[in-house]
Amino acid sequence: SAVISQKPSRDICQRGTSLTIQCQVDSQVTMMFWYRQQPGQSLTLIATANQGSEATYESGFVIDKFPISRPNLTFSTLTVSNMSPEDSSIYLCSVPRHAEETQYFGPGTRLLVL
Amino acid sequence: GQSLEQPSEVTAVEGAIVQINCTYQTSGFYGLSWYQQHDGGAPTFLSYNALDGLEETGRFSSFLSRSDSYGYLLLQELQMKDSASYFCAVAYSGNTPLVFGKGTRLSVIA
Repeated sequence: SAVISQKPSRDICQRGTSLTIQCQVDSQVTMMFWYRQQPGQSLTLIATANQGSEATYESGFVIDKFPISRPNLTFSTLTVSNMSPEDSSIYLCSVPRHAEETQYFGPGTRLLVL
Repeated sequence: GQSLEQPSEVTAVEGAIVQINCTYQTSGFYGLSWYQQHDGGAPTFLSYNALDGLEETGRFSSFLSRSDSYGYLLLQELQMKDSASYFCAVAYSGNTPLVFGKGTRLSVIA
């Protein structure tokens, strides 16, 4: 099984600032996914991050707001830019779990924007 | 479009059995997954059905019927620690992201 870590685990930020979230996996993976979970809601996919190519964003999410880096096969970052209180969420990275067609999730980053 | 429907809330008594249903309006997916999420925690994988039928993992079982566009998670011998949110999700291939249902909040009471 993959072990995924995220930094920071939580943060409180002021509106208008940016936060970069790191996701580290203990094995090489081609694809990594970034999700957002707003309070009391389900998980919504932000983007798919492939190593060596631009991230693919879902409808409603744009690169200027959520730039993603994928410098190698074990690491990715998601930046939440120019934050507003509406960005207060849990941000989760995940990787495919190949034994079944499902995914492992990181522990999440809990963001509160004031 | 892709749509997975779950009850928003379920309450059950400690020691009892509870079934959380997931109905979907989508096709061509590889399988149905179930995740558990405690308050403040990340989703953890519970069960996966690639084929129709019942998969059993300890106190948890999951069922899929593609012909009925329906699946469920069955929790037996409920414990207080089972109070959490439960999500069904589908994937369309091995390297595509999961699409999640809205989640069911299970409350286990004494």
